[in-house]
Amino acid sequence: AQSVTQPDIHITVSEGASLELRCNYSYGATPYLFWYVQSPGQGLQLLLKYFSGDTLVQGIKGFEAEFKRSQSSFNLRKPSVHWSDAAEYFCAVGARETSGSRLTFGEGTQLTVNP
Amino acid sequence: DSGVTQTPKHLITATGQRVTLRCSPRSGDLSVYWYQQSLDQGLQFLIQYYNGEERAKGNILERFSAQQFPDLHSELNLSSLELGDSALYFCASSLGQGKSYEQYFGPGTRLTVT
Repeated sequence: AQSVTQPDIHITVSEGASLELRCNYSYGATPYLFWYVQSPGQGLQLLLKYFSGDTLVQGIKGFEAEFKRSQSSFNLRKPSVHWSDAAEYFCAVGARETSGSRLTFGEGTQLTVNP
Repeated sequence: DSGVTQTPKHLITATGQRVTLRCSPRSGDLSVYWYQQSLDQGLQFLIQYYNGEERAKGNILERFSAQQFPDLHSELNLSSLELGDSALYFCASSLGQGKSYEQYFGPGTRLTVT
């Protein structure tokens, strides 16, 4: 069965600092990987996705993620964090289920941004 | 705004009761998914429908049921509610039914069972 691990429950960074959120996945076939962000009281917004091809993918809001098959990782990065980036971030793997599909999510990483 | 709508936004009810959560997918999307988000279980997949048919099932309790109607909106029915059912319930939609299609999430329905 597929699984996703986000080792950091909570990360605090200063505004303007760089950010890296870790994600490790376990999936037997070709992984389809996603990062979502959830602001307080909001739904999940898709930041970026990896299906195949270039292992460095660009997303919205200045985020990027790098797929490393050898490490089973899909870490999210941002060069300079803004106060509005404070939110919870979820990594997910898309998995086939009989005739459909599902997303399996990690536990999430809560990001706090200090002024 | 993802284009996925969910009603109601908040729901407070008592144990033993039954509630219905409603979801309208993005225009053109044929798949609808339901997820439950709780503090102890995190984000859990419940069920998927594609063009009116059930396609995948996750950890959905027997007390819960769902359906997708011809106009593609979906409803999640929760019955014999227990305190532990209190959670945020999300609906998501995608164009197709496979794992490669990105899912777009609605704002969620917060259910509180007292």
